[in-house]
Amino acid sequence: KNEVEQSPQNLTAQEGEFITINCSYSVGISALHWLQQHPGGGIVSLFMLSSGKKKHGRLIATINIQEKHSSLHITASHPRDSAVYICAVLKKSSGDKLTFGTGTRLAVRP
Amino acid sequence: GAVVSQHPSRVICKSGTSVKIECRSLDFQATTMFWYRQFPKQSLMLMATSNEGSKATYEQGVEKDKFLINHASLTLSTLTVTSAHPEDSSFYICSARDIGRIMNTEAFFGQGTRLTVV
Repeated sequence: KNEVEQSPQNLTAQEGEFITINCSYSVGISALHWLQQHPGGGIVSLFMLSSGKKKHGRLIATINIQEKHSSLHITASHPRDSAVYICAVLKKSSGDKLTFGTGTRLAVRP
Repeated sequence: GAVVSQHPSRVICKSGTSVKIECRSLDFQATTMFWYRQFPKQSLMLMATSNEGSKATYEQGVEKDKFLINHASLTLSTLTVTSAHPEDSSFYICSARDIGRIMNTEAFFGQGTRLTVV
């Protein structure tokens, strides 16, 4: 079993829909990242969380440390949000190394 | 925000040749850079951790003589794929940490390099 699990693996939504992507982890962490990877391959860091909730534009990320769970929400989704969303954690036991989830492939249809 | 520039974005090379990929932090200093490899529709796999002024730390199963890493300055790390073979064809991406930030667990990624060995 992977230490970082994401669901769903694939998601198709209609433009304007509210989207939630989930991430569960089984290890102690010092931080959790949500990353966005576009078809060209480049990766953008969306959020880094160690507690609570962060919001940036239409994106909201939450984390529950006790439950070892994080969610990424996209409000009023748009086709340009189509990408792979990756959850990655910084394990307390592995210093600077990130441990990645397998990603959620999101397609938003116009 | 912090920017990491990776070059080239795409490279096609002949089998047996070597390819150098550069990763630069443009507006911050990075004592640590990470090199990843990604196969289609799979997650990123850490290859090595590059530390400025010292030898890189390679993950298990990664050949250090094949994937040479040099981190000569606080803003530049290079990955050289030596004697490339078609099985080395992959997407390579680097990331860097900003030592100047208080929360230096933030990670900034390059644009990636798609290597095709023919």
